Parts: sequence; C-alpha cells; structure tokens
Amino acid sequence: KNEVEQSPQNLTAQEGEFITINCSYSVGISALHWLQQHPGGGIVSLFMLSSGKKKHGRLIATINIQEKHSSLHITASHPRDSAVYICAYSETSGSRLTFGEGTQLTVNP
Amino acid sequence: KAGVTQTPRYLIKTRGQQVTLSCSPISGHRSVSWYQQTPGQGLQFLFEYFSETQRNKGNFPGRFSGRQFSNSRSEMNVSTLELGDSALYLCASSFDRGPYNEQFFGPGTRLTVL
Repeated sequence: KNEVEQSPQNLTAQEGEFITINCSYSVGISALHWLQQHPGGGIVSLFMLSSGKKKHGRLIATINIQEKHSSLHITASHPRDSAVYICAYSETSGSRLTFGEGTQLTVNP
Repeated sequence: KAGVTQTPRYLIKTRGQQVTLSCSPISGHRSVSWYQQTPGQGLQFLFEYFSETQRNKGNFPGRFSGRQFSNSRSEMNVSTLELGDSALYLCASSFDRGPYNEQFFGPGTRLTVL
C-alpha cells in the first residue's frame, strides 16, 4: 500500500467546473505539499501546508491532520489548469518528499 | 532570480555506460534534493545534500551517487547504466534543510538508456 494515496487518478472536467482532488496519507508528517506538473516534466510547487487552509487565486488547499487527509480545490477551472497534480509529504527532518501517484486533470473548453 | 537549472536536458546512453547530471540551485539555496520519475514507479527520492554532505538517501543501489560543491551546485552519477535507469531526473533546491522549506524544481534531465 502506498503511503500517499490520491484520488481520482484521472479527472476530466468542463471549463468552469469546481474540481476537487483528494490525498490521504498513512504516516505522521510535518508538511503536505501540492505540486503541479505540466507535459514536458517541469514541476511547480503550489502549496505547502501543515494545518488549516491556504488559497492562491482560484486554488485552495486544505488539510486535516487528525484524519490524515488533504484536498486541492480548483474553482472556475480553465483548460490551462490541465496538468498532473501531485501531493507529497515531508517528514520530521530533512527535505525528503514522498509522493502520491498524481492525478491527471484535463479541462475541456 | 534565476530558477533551478539542470544540464543536460536530454541524454542518451547505452547499457553499461556511466552518466553525470548537474544541478545548479537558486542563488542562496543551500539544500539540493534529487528525484527519479518513471512511469512505473512515479516520483522517488534519491538523495538530499546540504553543506556538501549527503544528509539522506533513498532506496537506490550504490550505482547511484552524488555530491555537492561549496557553491551548492550538485551532481549525481549513475554508473553501469541499466535499461531501467531510463527516467526523468529532477533536482529541487530549498533555502534550508527541513520539512517546512518550499522546494523549487528544475526542468529535469531526461535520460534514455538503450
């Protein structure tokens, strides 16, 4: 069993829809990261959170430490949001990240 | 500030050869981590370097090694290449060590082993 489970694995949406990607983890963590990877490989860090909720533009990330669960929400989705979204956690020491398998999001116009 | 740079961007090697990949972190960043991404295994941690010392190593064979220089630039080396080493190799830098430091990723080096 993976230490980080993401759902869904694939998601297709119409432009303007509200999107939720879920991430569950099984170990104690220090911080949870949400990353975005576009075709070609480049990875961009979207959020790093250890409690509560963060918002950047149309993106919102939440975490529930007790339930070991995090969600990434995209409001008013747009075709340019099409990418792979990856959650990862960092442990109590060092910078090592452990990753989920990613969610392939496709937003159609 | 310039982002994380990796060279080369693409590399084709044959089995048994060795390869060296380079990563230049964002100016002022002292921590560099390396990751391997394959379709089958996803993203996996290789190593973490800080102050020229390897601080953490993932579950990879000894053929995978690395180092960090005094200017924080890092290299990783893979010896005796195998077909399964074909992957995207990503490095990420952060200002400091620790779980609360945001990591900034380079564009990756795509290695193909024939």
